[in-house]
Amino acid sequence: QQQVKQSPQSLIVQKGGISIINCAYENTAFDYFPWYQQFPGKGPALLIAIRPDVSEKKEGRFTISFNKSAKQFSLHIMDSQPGDSATYFCAASNGGLQGAQKLVFGQGTRLTINP
Amino acid sequence: EAGVTQFPSHSVIEKGQTVTLRCDPISGHDNLYWYRRVMGKEIKFLLHFVKESKQDESGMPNNRFLAERTGGTYSTLKVQPAELEDSGVYFCASSPWTGNANYGYTFGSGTRLTVV
Repeated sequence: QQQVKQSPQSLIVQKGGISIINCAYENTAFDYFPWYQQFPGKGPALLIAIRPDVSEKKEGRFTISFNKSAKQFSLHIMDSQPGDSATYFCAASNGGLQGAQKLVFGQGTRLTINP
Repeated sequence: EAGVTQFPSHSVIEKGQTVTLRCDPISGHDNLYWYRRVMGKEIKFLLHFVKESKQDESGMPNNRFLAERTGGTYSTLKVQPAELEDSGVYFCASSPWTGNANYGYTFGSGTRLTVV
């Protein structure tokens, strides 16, 4: 049973366009939702994260939108650049006050930005 | 600061053989995690160490997998005997102990294991 569902599996966007990746989760106890970016041959790297007490978080060209009632969150990449071409993973965890907890990942989205 | 180091980066072994993967976390990081990604699937949790203690090993697939973290520093993940379905990329990650909610992990580059 997959607790975090991510779509699409692959995405091609023109340079300068907006890339949108969506995730849906099932466990209402999740309270931390990070996005990771992975380049070939490298490990995933934390890109941006959000907690359910806010509906949106923006860092530069990257924005997370969060809909608690729908149990969905999405990553928007504005003005997409060829250097953004990578695999993106959404994830979720319920760390609470017990410190770091395991992450549940989505299946990943391979994003290609065409020049 | 040095990142999370994993080796080998690639390993090709025959079914039934033994393989040991190693992870060196960031110095001072009490939390150490192992994850695995099978081709095209999600990255799945295997286990979590806090220092030398196993905090959560609920993701370990079966008793062919043995993880250790002696002295709370580096960790090893041994697969014995390896099966074809063990093929995938094994990631190690570490994070500091904060005692308060989640902080981003730092992942290693992974070990790509191929069992033939």
